[in-house]
Amino acid sequence: NAGVTQTPKFQVLKTGQSMTLQCAQDMNHEYMSWYRQDPGMGLRLIHYSVGAGITDQGEVPNGYNVSRSTTEDFPLRLLSAAPSQTSVYFCASRTSGFQREQFFGPGTRLTVL
Amino acid sequence: GNSVTQMEGPVTLSEEAFLTINCTYTATGYPSLFWYVQYPGEGLQLLLKATKADDKGSNKGFEATYRKETTSFHLEKGSVQVSDSAVYFCALSPDEKLTFGTGTRLTIIP
Repeated sequence: NAGVTQTPKFQVLKTGQSMTLQCAQDMNHEYMSWYRQDPGMGLRLIHYSVGAGITDQGEVPNGYNVSRSTTEDFPLRLLSAAPSQTSVYFCASRTSGFQREQFFGPGTRLTVL
Repeated sequence: GNSVTQMEGPVTLSEEAFLTINCTYTATGYPSLFWYVQYPGEGLQLLLKATKADDKGSNKGFEATYRKETTSFHLEKGSVQVSDSAVYFCALSPDEKLTFGTGTRLTIIP
């Protein structure tokens, strides 16, 4: 199993550009989520999904869109990048049940100029 | 709302020292509690967890006990190694969302 994979590993954007961060898992997990990690703030939940076709907002959803058309994939779209979105982004997945372990991808480091 | 307050870092210890990283939480209901660890350049991975009061999670010599009366889940290790250098995150999950503390950077010097 590859686990949770994320692409790209690094990305530089200009303000106003759009892009999609890719996330895929091969563990047949129902639950997937996106976090951003900023210094001194830990990880904050952006969006999450409890199954294909179902998504919901987390703590910091503004400026981001998600969709979940398959169990395996959960892409995160930045609509119009802003410098405040400079961060490290992590995708995670787990089986159903909030006491379950989350498995994290290696992260995408995004810089918006 | 739900929140996690974690011991501020960074923490620097000598090899074989005793480690405690404090974590307290605020939550409704009966959350599950977790410690995740992030090694340099990697994503987070689960270190240990506890799902109900008085449960003790343990892994790789680390332990933490779910204390409902003090709303705490402190991480301890009796003798740290250089390989334990990482960032440690306390987290809670009372529902579908996982809430993290700000993280504690631990450095172990030989």
